[in-house]
Amino acid sequence: NAGVTQTPKFQVLKTGQSMTLQCAQDMNHEYMSWYRQDPGMGLRLIHYSVGAGITDQGEVPNGYNVSRSTTEDFPLRLLSAAPSQTSVYFCASRRGLEQYFGPGTRLTVT
Amino acid sequence: DQQVKQNSPSLSVQEGRISILNCDYTNSMFDYFLWYKKYPAEGPTFLISISSIKDKNEDGRFTVFLNKSAKHLSLHIVPSQPGDSAVYFCAAIGLAGGTSYGKLTFGQGTILTVHP
Repeated sequence: NAGVTQTPKFQVLKTGQSMTLQCAQDMNHEYMSWYRQDPGMGLRLIHYSVGAGITDQGEVPNGYNVSRSTTEDFPLRLLSAAPSQTSVYFCASRRGLEQYFGPGTRLTVT
Repeated sequence: DQQVKQNSPSLSVQEGRISILNCDYTNSMFDYFLWYKKYPAEGPTFLISISSIKDKNEDGRFTVFLNKSAKHLSLHIVPSQPGDSAVYFCAAIGLAGGTSYGKLTFGQGTILTVHP
């Protein structure tokens, strides 16, 4: 049971480039979400999904897209990276109240 | 509008003493509260939770207290150990509807350092 996995662990992008952060879980959880962690800001919700085919915006969705074609996968897309998107990104899945987080992706946009 | 606030960015405690981490919230629709612990280069992990119908929940060295009238909760760690050094996040969720329904809202985190 791998839990929640994220790839890549580290990424450096130039302003304007696009990329997809991958997230997968093997716990058959319906609820998945993406957070970003910034100093002094805690964990802020970007997008979430309550099941395959259903996504919704969180607190800071601008500049990010998501899709949920399967229960297992919940990729996060940056269409045109900006320096303000430099952050650590965490994917999480949940059944009930206990949420499981992946190890994170550290993204730097120059 | 920060609905969950941890006003102390850091806390330093001697090994064996009590650590008290505080959290305040503004949304009265929150009815479940959780604490997560995060080590560097790892994702947060669940530590302990409390329902809004209770005022205390205990799990080993960890106790969470909830004061609904003050919209305040605290995490007590007794005795503190060096391995407890981590970032602690408070989180809240609404289960009965409203804008907080189903979504975990986190505080800014408090860095706890336990000195040997």
